[in-house]
Amino acid sequence: DQQVKQNSPSLSVQEGRISILNCDYTNSMFDYFLWYKKYPAEGPTFLISISSIKDKNEDGRFTVFLNKSAKHLSLHIVPSQPGDSAVYFCAASNYGGSQGNLIFGKGTKLSVKP
Amino acid sequence: EAQVTQNPRYLITVTGKKLTVTCSQNMNHEYMSWYRQDPGLGLRQIYYSMNVEVTDKGDVPEGYKVSRKEKRNFPLILESPSPNQTSLYFCASRGQIYNSPLHFGNGTRLTVT
Repeated sequence: DQQVKQNSPSLSVQEGRISILNCDYTNSMFDYFLWYKKYPAEGPTFLISISSIKDKNEDGRFTVFLNKSAKHLSLHIVPSQPGDSAVYFCAASNYGGSQGNLIFGKGTKLSVKP
Repeated sequence: EAQVTQNPRYLITVTGKKLTVTCSQNMNHEYMSWYRQDPGLGLRQIYYSMNVEVTDKGDVPEGYKVSRKEKRNFPLILESPSPNQTSLYFCASRGQIYNSPLHFGNGTRLTVT
């Protein structure tokens, strides 16, 4: 049973436009959410996170939105750049239930075209 | 430089031949974990360790062993590798606070023939 779902395996966006990556989760006990970016031949790197007490967190071009009632979060990248082309993983955790272990989605491959 | 180091980066072996993938971190992190990444399946946790001498199973522990004798090292052991363990493996670590981000190594590409 997949607790963290990224239903779009891939997304293609024009440079300068907005990229929106989506993530749904099923476990209402999750209280911390993160996005990781992964380039080929490298490990995932942390991008941005959000606690369940917030509904938005911003860091430069990256903004994560959390809708707890819908159990949905999204990552917005504005403006998108070719260097943003990578696989993006959504992850969630719940200290009480999983000792803080991260549950990852399957990833979305973003391609930003010049 | 703060980092998680895995070795080797690439490994080709045969069924049944024991192997160890090493992982070391220089950030004095308490928590360490192993993941495998497979096409269409994302990142799945194999084992994790909350601190020295404390290890526990993740979602896909079958066929793997780990040990945590020192804080900085967390080796992954495949006693009798099988072809279904062909995968890309990542080691990761973080501090004791559970909502601190994981730091990942660059991965080990394992092929079992």
